Formats: sequence, C-alpha cells, structure tokens
Amino acid sequence: KQEVTQIPAALSVPEGENLVLNCSFTDSAIYNLQWFRQDPGKGLTSLLLIQSSQREQTSGRLNASLDKSSGRSTLYIAASQPGDSATYLCAVSSNAGNNRKLIWGLGTSLAVNP
Amino acid sequence: SAVISQKPSRDICQRGTSLTIQCQVDSQVTMMFWYRQQPGQSLTLIATANQGSEATYESGFVIDKFPISRPNLTFSTLTVSNMSPEDSSIYLCSSNDGPTPFFGQGTRLTVV
Repeated sequence: KQEVTQIPAALSVPEGENLVLNCSFTDSAIYNLQWFRQDPGKGLTSLLLIQSSQREQTSGRLNASLDKSSGRSTLYIAASQPGDSATYLCAVSSNAGNNRKLIWGLGTSLAVNP
Repeated sequence: SAVISQKPSRDICQRGTSLTIQCQVDSQVTMMFWYRQQPGQSLTLIATANQGSEATYESGFVIDKFPISRPNLTFSTLTVSNMSPEDSSIYLCSSNDGPTPFFGQGTRLTVV
C-alpha cells in the first residue's frame, strides 16, 4: 500500500530564505509525482508535475526533483516571499492501469515572515 | 486552464441532516473526483464520477452515505447524508486537464 510522508510538517522562515520541502513514498512504482499548493478558501493549485521518467521540473522560483528508486522528492523554493505562505502537498499517482488515483501526503505548512 | 466552481464554500449543519455540494466545470470533462480532507489528515478520495454511470466508491465510503450525481459532462453533486460531527471536514471536487488535476475551492463543513 502506497504511503506518502512529508517532512517537515510545518516551517517558518524569514523572507528571502531558500528552503527545501521533502516528500517520500513507499512504493517506487509510480506514474508521476505532483506538488500542490493549498490556500484556505481557494482549493488546491498544481505547481509541478514530474513524470516517473523525469528527474526534475522547474517553474520560476520552484524546482522539484524526483528520485524514484529511493522514493523521494524535494521541492526547492528560492528566495522565499510572504506570498509563498501556504500548505504544500505532495501526491503520487500509481501505475494501476487507468485508475491513476492520487495518494497524498499530509502537507508542509509554510509561513514566510516579512 | 479549466475552472471548477464549487458551492457552498462553507456551511454549519445540524446532525442528522444532509448537505449537497455542487461543482460546475467551465468545460466538458470525463471524470470528476470527490475528496474529503479531515482535520489533520491527508486528502482521501471518496469516489470517482463518470457521466452516465454510477460513481465508483473507494474502500470505506458507501453510496447511501455519499450519493453522487453526474447528470452531464460539466456538473456533479456530492451529498453528505445523515451527518454526524465526524463528517466535519473539507470536501473537494476535482477533474483532470490532461495529467494535471484541478480543483474546486472546497467546502468547509461543520456538523454540530
């Protein structure tokens, strides 16, 4: 059974810091891994999607890496800003045919202080 | 990208009553998904809804408790029936734009 763990559960940093959020998963047979941002009252926003054959994806100040064999992904946020404050969720999609259900971590709650 | 409008955004309900949550997509989508996010827990898939067929429920969820409608390719509803305080949660609908999911804004339900 696939399990997704995110560390740390919460993080508080001053503005401008570079930071790393971690995600680990127990079953390496994944289709893809995604990082999302969750803001209260705004649902979830997809940030980055990494296919199982890829090792990283970048979007602006965000970079996500994937090491499928070790069951790990990291989300790197450069030069953090107060607007980055949110909960960051990692989810993996299984290889199970057309039923590519997402398995979610609990998230990392990030606070960037001005 | 596609947008889902979900309502209500929040509600406070009496135990024993039912609440229907609606999701309207601004484009036609094949599959829609309903999730629950209980306090301190990760998102859990309740069911998958395809237009024209009965929803497929995940282990631990049953149609009598969470009936779902999917009358067309742009709309779906989830009803939380005979509510108890344990149903207090955020409920989210979702669909896919290719491999990337997109979500409604969520419904924060409190049962008192």
